[in-house]
Amino acid sequence: LAKTTQPISMDSYEGQEVNITCSHNNIATNDYITWYQQFPSQGPRFIIQGYKTKVTNEVASLFIPADRKSSTLSLPRVSLSDTAVYYCLVGERAGFKTIFGAGTRLFVKA
Amino acid sequence: EAGVTQSPTHLIKTRGQQATLRCSPISGHTSVYWYQQALGLGLQFLLWYDEGEERNRGNFPPRFSGRQFPNYSSELNVNALELEDSALYLCASSLQGYNEQFFGPGTRLTVL
Repeated sequence: LAKTTQPISMDSYEGQEVNITCSHNNIATNDYITWYQQFPSQGPRFIIQGYKTKVTNEVASLFIPADRKSSTLSLPRVSLSDTAVYYCLVGERAGFKTIFGAGTRLFVKA
Repeated sequence: EAGVTQSPTHLIKTRGQQATLRCSPISGHTSVYWYQQALGLGLQFLLWYDEGEERNRGNFPPRFSGRQFPNYSSELNVNALELEDSALYLCASSLQGYNEQFFGPGTRLTVL
């Protein structure tokens, strides 16, 4: 299983773009990169998933370089409600002993 | 479309007792996952069920067990409860073979 490394915490201000980078040096050929968001006392919520290059949806963008050894979750113009923990997961199948790391605690300030 | 549901919302037990937690997946989802999240910590993978069978298990003792029923709902049983079992237990479901998991609201288990 590919291990992931993320910053423990990040601070930002409302309206700024936030980029959270995840390192996964031993990612396998069949692995996908998935990001989740979790608010206190709630279950995580799927944000975005990608395999290579760039993926964009209504919530975020995911940038994956050619070597796939890292990925960057980009949140445009964050608001106070984006304060949460963001998890980066790497794996072939969701159930294959899915490992959530400690995640990145994002604090958005007014 | 109804999301993943879990019951009960809160459960209070004493040491040595048994706890049973229930989960109903999103309609059409055959995979169910269980996670434990202690206060302030990350999610720890417990169990993965698919098509009624246990497919994978995290690093938890055998007193953590479960099953998946023909309608794909699932139960998590924790025997001989210990104080450190106090946590939020999250259930998630997904379509078979897909990485996107949908989580329920969780069951808060408190062991006194």
